[in-house]
Amino acid sequence: GNSVTQMEGPVTLSEEAFLTINCTYTATGYPSLFWYVQYPGEGLQLLLKATKADDKGSNKGFEATYRKETTSFHLEKGSVQVSDSAVYFCALSDQNFNKFYFGSGTKLNVKP
Amino acid sequence: EAQVTQNPRYLITVTGKKLTVTCSQNMNHEYMSWYRQDPGLGLRQIYYSMNVEVTDKGDVPEGYKVSRKEKRNFPLILESPSPNQTSLYFCASRRRLRETQYFGPGTRLLVL
Repeated sequence: GNSVTQMEGPVTLSEEAFLTINCTYTATGYPSLFWYVQYPGEGLQLLLKATKADDKGSNKGFEATYRKETTSFHLEKGSVQVSDSAVYFCALSDQNFNKFYFGSGTKLNVKP
Repeated sequence: EAQVTQNPRYLITVTGKKLTVTCSQNMNHEYMSWYRQDPGLGLRQIYYSMNVEVTDKGDVPEGYKVSRKEKRNFPLILESPSPNQTSLYFCASRRRLRETQYFGPGTRLLVL
């Protein structure tokens, strides 16, 4: 079946530090991969996505590359800001785009 | 303003007392979904709908019902709530299959 595993948090970084949040997946067929961000008290917002192998999704300085050979979609940012503090979810959709599977979320705390 | 709304935002109820959580979107989206969010488990899809009168089960449909009589509304019904349905619930919608999901603000449910 389909599943997503992401690194446990919380992750605490100083401002301007480099961020990596690991995400690996198990899927049948050709899934699409997503990173969502959730700020306190809010719903999830799409951060970036990739729909096929070797695609790179990017947005607001965040990047992730769809690696089929390692079944991974790690989130990276070169220089985090305090405003990036949130919970980040890795997710995949089945190839029909009907069903979605989310990781457990990684809380990021960025200190000034 | 384009949005997904959920009501109520907070609900405390007792075991066995039927309840409905409403979800409404004003973006003329075809696809809608319900998720529950639990600590350490991320989001899990309960039901989804591809259009009016077309619904299907997600990963965790047991104990829930949905209906889609109008395009804009997708209520979640708990006929006989139990304490293990205590959770944070999110509704989401998207215009077409491969487009971005927009999430509502969430409904926090406590079943005593």
